[in-house]
Amino acid sequence: KAGVTQTPRYLIKTRGQQVTLSCSPISGHRSVSWYQQTPGQGLQFLFEYFSETQRNKGNFPGRFSGRQFSNSRSEMNVSTLELGDSALYLCASSLAGSGSGSYNEQFFGPGTRLTVL
Amino acid sequence: QKEVEQDPGPLSVPEGAIVSLNCTYSNSAFQYFMWYRQYSRKGPELLMYTYSSGNKEDGRFTAQVDKSSKYISLFIRDSQPSDSATYLCAMRETSYDKVIFGPGTSLSVIP
Repeated sequence: KAGVTQTPRYLIKTRGQQVTLSCSPISGHRSVSWYQQTPGQGLQFLFEYFSETQRNKGNFPGRFSGRQFSNSRSEMNVSTLELGDSALYLCASSLAGSGSGSYNEQFFGPGTRLTVL
Repeated sequence: QKEVEQDPGPLSVPEGAIVSLNCTYSNSAFQYFMWYRQYSRKGPELLMYTYSSGNKEDGRFTAQVDKSSKYISLFIRDSQPSDSATYLCAMRETSYDKVIFGPGTSLSVIP
């Protein structure tokens, strides 16, 4: 079974621009979560989508947004880029919704390395 | 104070050593405790998870959770050079809640 894929793997943008990152979950997985990883702040939760609805949200400004499509693929958008947005953006997919009774393991993709100049 | 604290390292040990990695946390509502391993230029991969307090063993890895002290540990026995990676502790309140990660500890196992 193919793992989580993220495109593009590397991206260079300038301040003020916007960017869209894509994540394709493992087949059959309905939940996609997004994380930002930086050396200073570590791995921070951005948001989670389940069945096309945002289910959880972290403490990031409104410049960070996302969506999920009916095939569970997800996109993340960052508008008006700032230098501090330079980071590795990771997405993770998981199988189940709530109440399945088993641990909801997340599987991570390789990430998109975003550099803002 | 961050919700989850972890010794940042880096930690360097000789091959065969026992490694102890630790995290503390402040949110008493956390019930699921995970350890992830992240190799350079890769996404994190789940090593182990534990529900509530107690120990869990998987091969050379043992996870311990002490909820009364808000302290979790990961022990690696007979460490190998292939264990060289960043280890992240992570926690969540329910199996479907957002995951909160520690900052990670960089480990190098020297042959």
